[in-house]
Amino acid sequence: GQQLNQSPQSMFIQEGEDVSMNCTSSSIFNTWLWYKQDPGEGPVLLIALYKAGELTSNGRLTAQFGITRKDSFLNISASIPSDVGIYFCAGRKNAGNMLTFGGGTRLMVKP
Amino acid sequence: DVKVTQSSRYLVKRTGEKVFLECVQDMDHENMFWYRQDPGLGLRLIYFSYDVKMKEKGDIPEGYSVSREKKERFSLILESASTNQTSMYLCASSPREGSNEQFFGPGTRLTVL
Repeated sequence: GQQLNQSPQSMFIQEGEDVSMNCTSSSIFNTWLWYKQDPGEGPVLLIALYKAGELTSNGRLTAQFGITRKDSFLNISASIPSDVGIYFCAGRKNAGNMLTFGGGTRLMVKP
Repeated sequence: DVKVTQSSRYLVKRTGEKVFLECVQDMDHENMFWYRQDPGLGLRLIYFSYDVKMKEKGDIPEGYSVSREKKERFSLILESASTNQTSMYLCASSPREGSNEQFFGPGTRLTVL
């Protein structure tokens, strides 16, 4: 099955820095989701995007649904140590269709 | 709170063994899913189920089967485990068809020797 191209694969940043990651696809998705997986746990939904061009925030997290519907971006401002984990993008083409996940971005934050 | 539990956090099996991974959700969700997670590949769907006794193949069903005899329980079966099935296995559930949020269990890290 198709996979979303997520980059970067990993990031090692200093506490307080901003973080950007993105997800691209060769085909259109109608819903974009961003999940976070804490070490030793399952992924948890952070943000859901339903409309092209939509910009949605959740605390220090901001995500955008690309205007072409083929990409999405996640930004984290002023990173803190508990931001450590793996971030996954996921796309859905139509209602009832399964989610397609990106390869994940592993974020490490140095205090 | 929605809770998805998986029977084991860590499992070590030998090549050729039959392996059962169990998943239980307590929120009466219709949909249940089994994924495997490998570094750099993200989550890949193995099988999913929309209802009791119903199952559909995902992207990588080869070497796996599933069972859903009760609404709250979805089992993943490795008929004859192989070393390339060493992976993290994640179970998820969601309340209805088309619902975006899938609730994940903590995962089972399976090692096949």
